Amino acid sequence: QVQLQESGPGLVKPSQTLSLTCTVSGGSLNNGGYRWSWIRQSPGRGLEWIGYIYFSEPPYYSPSVKGRVTMSLDSSRNQFYLQLSSVSAADTAVYYCARNGELVGSGYYFDKWGQGFLVTVSS
Amino acid sequence: QSVLTQPPSVSGAPGQRVTISCTGSNSNIGAGYDVHWYQQFPGTAPKLLIYANNNRPSGVPDRFSGSTSGTSASLAITGLQAEDEAEYYCQSHDSRLNTYVFGTGTKVTVL
Repeated sequence: QVQLQESGPGLVKPSQTLSLTCTVSGGSLNNGGYRWSWIRQSPGRGLEWIGYIYFSEPPYYSPSVKGRVTMSLDSSRNQFYLQLSSVSAADTAVYYCARNGELVGSGYYFDKWGQGFLVTVSS
Repeated sequence: QSVLTQPPSVSGAPGQRVTISCTGSNSNIGAGYDVHWYQQFPGTAPKLLIYANNNRPSGVPDRFSGSTSGTSASLAITGLQAEDEAEYYCQSHDSRLNTYVFGTGTKVTVL
């Protein structure tokens, strides 16, 4: 059973870079052809997809954060990462890492989620 | 601002049938992109409930079903149970925004 777990600093200062790690257990990042996503949730913005990464193609980012976001993965550690630069209070949210389900029609869904990690942007 | 609009709340008595609407546009649901549904309890991550419009992952009761029509989708819960009290979200892809989008969320209350 695949499980995901987010980790990182829970407090980031405005204008700095938010960095989170998602550790995957019970399965390999490289097996199965799965894409791996970051999603965030806040009272003001609701659920917001940030982007996904796959080991054999460039990451796919949401236009809402493009220019500030970088995703990467380390298959040897079975981890993938999120970096979001120039953060502001609007980036305060619970951040989830998730697995994109197998594409059966048009458009991905998210079938496995981490428990979520609260990141607060504040000085 | 979400491009998928849901009613803020719906309620029903145990055993009743409730439906949750998800209204989109011609750049998402109306363009033929699949709709997926999630259930979320307070303080926990969303859980996949329905994928690709009307498919249930293993372990999801058949009381939950999904459908689409035009630029909208619906989630139906039949035989409502107290354990169904949660927040529900729809999700799809939007070709105009070029991103995956979620609905505004609906709180289901069991009376």
